[in-house]
Amino acid sequence: AQKVTQAQTEISVVEKEDVTLDCVYETRDTTYYLFWYKQPPSGELVFLIRRNSFDEQNEISGRYSWNFQKSTSSFNFTITASQVVDSAVYFCALSEGSISGNTGKLIFGQGTTLQVKP
Amino acid sequence: KAGVTQTPRYLIKTRGQQVTLSCSPISGHRSVSWYQQTPGQGLQFLFEYFSETQRNKGNFPGRFSGRQFSNSRSEMNVSTLELGDSALYLCASSSLLAAQETQYFGPGTRLLVL
Repeated sequence: AQKVTQAQTEISVVEKEDVTLDCVYETRDTTYYLFWYKQPPSGELVFLIRRNSFDEQNEISGRYSWNFQKSTSSFNFTITASQVVDSAVYFCALSEGSISGNTGKLIFGQGTTLQVKP
Repeated sequence: KAGVTQTPRYLIKTRGQQVTLSCSPISGHRSVSWYQQTPGQGLQFLFEYFSETQRNKGNFPGRFSGRQFSNSRSEMNVSTLELGDSALYLCASSSLLAAQETQYFGPGTRLLVL
């Protein structure tokens, strides 16, 4: 069965510290997509990144970077020089696959609550 | 471009009632998916609609239903509400099938069932 595990329930850091959010996934599909979303207190899920299973290149976007490793089924997310505005719940998600292809249904991890203190 | 909009934002109902939630996707997007978020179960997929057809359905009872209109706007309905239906209901849209494109989420509708 497909599954996403975010073992860190809550993380608290002080502003300007670097922080890494872990995500481990399980799937038998050879083609799949991985995502990270941010959920601030307002509730809306904000899209951060989408990565397909054939692209293992790390990605950097400003203070955000992602490390995708198929060998360990991990897709970790690092925030460099964290800021108070980064405080939110972060979700890792996997798009569900099937014999006929990808269904588009997102399977979410339980989320990691990040608190950045000033 | 305006994002995904959902109405109403907050709703209070009593057990046994029914409720209809509305979602307007990003302009030009044709797929709408619905998710339920609760503290206990997390984020769970309800269904996806594309071109007015239900493409995929999650493991929810038949009390949960939805539809999509020709302008891609979608509604979901929950009949005979139960206390456990209290949740944040999130709608997401994608330009093509959700399987092919990134899903962008709206702010959600917070439903409280008393």
